[in-house]
Amino acid sequence: NAGVTQTPKFRILKIGQSMTLQCAQDMNHNYMYWYRQDPGMGLKLIYYSVGAGITDKGEVPNGYNVSRSTTEDFPLRLELAAPSQTSVYFCASSADRGYGYTFGSGTRLTVV
Amino acid sequence: AQSVSQHNHHVILSEAASLELGCNYSYGGTVNLFWYVQYPGQHLQLLLKYFSGDPLVKGIKGFEAEFIKSKFSFNLRKPSVQWSDTAEYFCAVDFSSGSARQLTFGSGTQLTVLP
Repeated sequence: NAGVTQTPKFRILKIGQSMTLQCAQDMNHNYMYWYRQDPGMGLKLIYYSVGAGITDKGEVPNGYNVSRSTTEDFPLRLELAAPSQTSVYFCASSADRGYGYTFGSGTRLTVV
Repeated sequence: AQSVSQHNHHVILSEAASLELGCNYSYGGTVNLFWYVQYPGQHLQLLLKYFSGDPLVKGIKGFEAEFIKSKFSFNLRKPSVQWSDTAEYFCAVDFSSGSARQLTFGSGTQLTVLP
């Protein structure tokens, strides 16, 4: 089925470890996004991309990095995991304004 | 900075009751408006959207929302809720005037429907 695929679904990291959250979409969407969701806080934008080779910071980018080498893939990198990064991470994509986002199923990350 | 407010954090209703969830945003320009729903353990799904035309928008599963520009509001309604509507509901606004198509989300409203 077409959509946004995120891996892994769950992960436990130790403080200081690094990891990459994978996100891929097969809808040829130019716009891709990473959000984190914390209880009672809604979704906060981490990074976004408007096309291959173009990325920009969102509201809460510290501690994260992204790349967009292809239209399909938009990985999120955590270099030195901290407990404050314990959250649920959602990747989303969009064709254009007014269409809304298609979300992936999320990655639940715990940093201990 | 532009913001989206959902003042009801948790709403508890009995089945067949009517629902109205509030959403307000802080911007006087052109916006696109969305409501998303997140069922327990699942990702966000689009309920409905507004970007122009009739300010009363109908979405899936019997939901509707009304855009009132003068009040900067986009409230979600359903005449008769069901137990299966138990979920978290997010209002989102596209404030972007440039090339990026970013959504700003409200903090969400948890709806619990009692059988």
